[in-house]
Amino acid sequence: EDKVVQSPLSLVVHEGDTVTLNCSYEVTNFRSLLWYKQEKKAPTFLFMLTSSGIEKKSGRLSSILDKKELFSILNITATQTGDSAIYLCAVGYAGNTPLVFGKGTRLSVIA
Amino acid sequence: DGGITQSPKYLFRKEGQNVTLSCEQNLNHDAMYWYRQDPGQGLRLIYYSQIVNDFQKGDIAEGYSVSREKKESFPLTVTSAQKNPTAFYLCASTPQGRTDTQYFGPGTRLTVL
Repeated sequence: EDKVVQSPLSLVVHEGDTVTLNCSYEVTNFRSLLWYKQEKKAPTFLFMLTSSGIEKKSGRLSSILDKKELFSILNITATQTGDSAIYLCAVGYAGNTPLVFGKGTRLSVIA
Repeated sequence: DGGITQSPKYLFRKEGQNVTLSCEQNLNHDAMYWYRQDPGQGLRLIYYSQIVNDFQKGDIAEGYSVSREKKESFPLTVTSAQKNPTAFYLCASTPQGRTDTQYFGPGTRLTVL
């Protein structure tokens, strides 16, 4: 059973739309949740979340963590074609265990 | 400049041949990781190493092998036992105890003909 579940797996929107990507996770020994953007190369870091209810923001992107309901959302407002990418969610657990990645959400923004 | 290098960027091999992918880092990181990514998919962990001369299997280790003889280097061999090796391979490293601070290499795209 997957420990980190992202939804939807793919999404097509028009430029200017707002999108919400979801990531749910298992709780045991949770330490952090990370969001990455990947465009045909190595993932680039977006956010790391450790505390519940505190929104992190970078331009049109924002993210928040709910440790009670065990999920995070990544919002992108006023989408642009350059936002087209795979968005990866990963969870870090206590100890030296590696990050656990979800399957990713493939976002396509069309003009 | 500190970072992670992977070579080559693109690799073509015939079916049945073993192939070794290079990963080098000069960040003085203790831990290194290999991931596989199939088209449109997330990252799946193949092997990881937290210290020199030690490594652990990830979720999809079958058909792969690694070595960690030096702190800076973590090569991955894709053997002929790997049924479907065509994929994008990413190497990453992290400081000791900070598995959530991943630095990724640029990746190697392996195509088996």
